Amino acid sequence: EMQLVESGGGLVQPGGSLRLSCAASGFNFNAFWMSWVRQAPGKGLEWVASINPDGSEKYYVDSVKGRFTISRDNAKNSQFLQMNSLRDGDTAVYHCARGWMYCGLWGRGTLVTVSS
Amino acid sequence: DIVMTQSPDSLAVSLGERATINCKSSQSILYSSTNKNCLSWYQQKPGQPPKLLIYWASTRESGVPDRFSGSGSGTDFTLTISSLQAEDVAVYYCQQYYNVPRTFGHGTKVEIK
Repeated sequence: EMQLVESGGGLVQPGGSLRLSCAASGFNFNAFWMSWVRQAPGKGLEWVASINPDGSEKYYVDSVKGRFTISRDNAKNSQFLQMNSLRDGDTAVYHCARGWMYCGLWGRGTLVTVSS
Repeated sequence: DIVMTQSPDSLAVSLGERATINCKSSQSILYSSTNKNCLSWYQQKPGQPPKLLIYWASTRESGVPDRFSGSGSGTDFTLTISSLQAEDVAVYYCQQYYNVPRTFGHGTKVEIK
């Protein structure tokens, strides 16, 4: 069964850091672009970042550029999102998703709460 | 950034009736080299992650019931549920992948009348 499982969320103070992980299984991970999409409580979907199969291309939404870094470890079938200088507006469920154009596989997400 | 505008915000449809959701992009998302529209539709039920329904504006994802269909080109797109079932209660999002940043519509909530 193809699956994406996120971890690493939690409560963090403004200005703090978190590293999210996404473990992939059931498909050839190193053949796919991967993405992070977030959803603030009660709100819609917002694309955050994407990375190409070998990790050489990375794209970000403007609001996280310079603060978030997407990466992957193909040997471990995992992708990551390093989040620094967190703000209240970053509070959301962060979904790991497979794809660059459209995303055909999603994880259930991990909740990041930025609050003092 | 390309702005995706969905309408209506919500709609209530009787079981077995047709539901129509509109999505308008602020610029054309027709990729000229392939003549394909860079638009996808997702369904999100409460407490679940989004599920891909449609890509390239009209191609149904494997396993998606054929009562779901997508149409449109350029800047105007439609998701149609031909005969609403109880399990179709959800929020539906359109998304463009013509350029970066990828952007979503704000969502349309579909309920049973």
